[in-house]
Parts: sequence; structure tokens; C-alpha cells
Amino acid sequence: EADIYQTPRYLVIGTGKKITLECSQTMGHDKMYWYQQDPGMELHLIHYSYGVNSTEKGDLSSESTVSRIRTEHFPLTLESARPSHTSQYLCASSDPQREYGTQYFGPGTRLLVL
Amino acid sequence: SQQGEEDPQALSIQEGENATMNCSYKTSINNLQWYRQNSGRGLVHLILIRSNEREKHSGRLRVTLDTSKKSSSLLITASRAADTASYFCAPQGGSEKLVFGKGTKLTVNP
Repeated sequence: EADIYQTPRYLVIGTGKKITLECSQTMGHDKMYWYQQDPGMELHLIHYSYGVNSTEKGDLSSESTVSRIRTEHFPLTLESARPSHTSQYLCASSDPQREYGTQYFGPGTRLLVL
Repeated sequence: SQQGEEDPQALSIQEGENATMNCSYKTSINNLQWYRQNSGRGLVHLILIRSNEREKHSGRLRVTLDTSKKSSSLLITASRAADTASYFCAPQGGSEKLVFGKGTKLTVNP
């Protein structure tokens, strides 16, 4: 099991609410990623970070934002949730210098916006 | 970063049989990784094969890589019900980012 954690695991929330999905890892990895995945579909990279104070947008445009103030923590925030944000969100981390870019994934957060 | 395409999209077999799934990609790579995803969970890294390797084993898993055909295959021998999951390949070139396809959904029937 990878030492990467996501909370909450499930979230049901009303339209317009602000939410933060938490992701933390204890492996000391510099690189962290957020993916969005609809059921049975491919993962889409929405944000990534190469280290503290570094954040980049991924291949899929997302209305969410991220921050990286500490190495171990990479939260994702939606300022105003909408039903179109309903999806599974997966966080991952990697240390390319040690393991050729192998990514370790958290268990995911299933978000339902009503 | 480039996306791998897994084939078939779905595969259903009986326990004890072997399962083979394939991955194709378009441009040259440094390595190729395979991941498994159980329903509703995160991905788990299974195996990484480097571009200068042709075959690699890990327990009941066997991965091959043919860089001339830009393809890889994952073989699971003596499958078990617990192998039921989606399997994704991730070809990796110069970028550290991985791009995942839709995967192969494997069902192993008891």
C-alpha cells in the first residue's frame, strides 16, 4: 500500500458550495498530481506540481485550483461546485529520480454535486 | 507525454485461465508502465519495463515490449477472481507526466 491519503472518500454537496479535497503523502515525493475520472473512462490530468510553490494545469481544463505550500500536502479546491464537477478525483505522487516516474495513487474521492 | 491504447476494452475469462491484454502507442518511449485499478479505487503500479528490455516477470505477471511495433502486452497467468479490475498502460517518453487510456476491463469468473 502506498503512503498517500485522500479525504474525504465520498462527498455529496449542493451546487454553489466551496469544497476542498485533501491529499497528503508521507513518502517525501516532490511531484504530485490530480486526475479526474468518470466511471469506466480514462483518467485526465487536471493539475500537477513539481515541488513546493510549483503548480501547473494539466491536459484537461478544470475550474478547480490547487496549492502546494508543503511537500506532503496538495489540496484541490472548487470555489463553487456544480453538477458537472461530479466525478472521481485521484491524487498521485512520484519520485522520478528513484523509480523512473512510477506514480503512487491515493484511494480517490468520489464527488457528487446535486 | 503520450497515451497508450489498451485492447481489448473488455475481457471475460474463467478462473485459472490466462488473460492477455495489449497496449499500443505512437512515439518512442523510455519505459512503459502497467497499472491496475480495482472498482472505485486508485491505481496500483504493477510493473515497469524499460525500452531496452523485451520481457519482464513479476509473480504471475509477464510483460513484453516490442519497440519496433510500438506495442506491449500484459499476461496474467492462472487468473483469480481477485484479478478482476481495469488495467492501464502508460508509455513514458521524455515527460514525467503519464497519460492513461480507457484501459482493459478484466472480469475473472469464479
